[in-house]
Amino acid sequence: DQQVKQNSPSLSVQEGRISILNCDYTNSMFDYFLWYKKYPAEGPTFLISISSIKDKNEDGRFTVFLNKSAKHLSLHIVPSQPGDSAVYFCAADPGSARQLTFGSGTQLTVLP
Amino acid sequence: NAGVTQTPKFRVLKTGQSMTLLCAQDMNHEYMYWYRQDPGMGLRLIHYSVGEGTTAKGEVPDGYNVSRLKKQNFLLGLESAAPSQTSVYFCASSYSGRGQETQYFGPGTRLLVL
Repeated sequence: DQQVKQNSPSLSVQEGRISILNCDYTNSMFDYFLWYKKYPAEGPTFLISISSIKDKNEDGRFTVFLNKSAKHLSLHIVPSQPGDSAVYFCAADPGSARQLTFGSGTQLTVLP
Repeated sequence: NAGVTQTPKFRVLKTGQSMTLLCAQDMNHEYMYWYRQDPGMGLRLIHYSVGEGTTAKGEVPDGYNVSRLKKQNFLLGLESAAPSQTSVYFCASSYSGRGQETQYFGPGTRLLVL
């Protein structure tokens, strides 16, 4: 039973437009959420995070929104650039367990 | 500063063979992790370590063993490889185990078990 779900395996967006990547979770005990970005043949790298006590966190072109009542978070990239093409993983922290739970990832392709 | 390195980058094994994957980090991090990535499954935690000489089981530990004899190294062993262990393996490290802290990942080891 996947506790963190990314239901869209892939997403294509035109350069300059907004990319919206979605993530749903089932465990209400998660208290921190992170997004990692992964290029081919490389390891994931941290992108942005959000605490469960907030509903929005912004870092440059990247904004993460959290809707706790819906158990849903999303990553917005504005404007999208070809260099943003990568797999994006959503991850959740259950607190004291010190184990991140990852979603299955979404392949973002930004078309020039 | 190399960050997190993994050896080897790619390996082919026959069923029943054994091997050890090596992870090294030069950031003086206390916590280290081994994940496997499979299509449609995301990253799943195999084992982790909260410090030198300590290890703990993650979500999918069966068929693997680990050791953390030195702070900078975390070894993942497969005693008798099975085709189900064909995967990409990632090592990661972090200063503390708090989930909100960034984990730094190595480039991965691609393992094919025939």
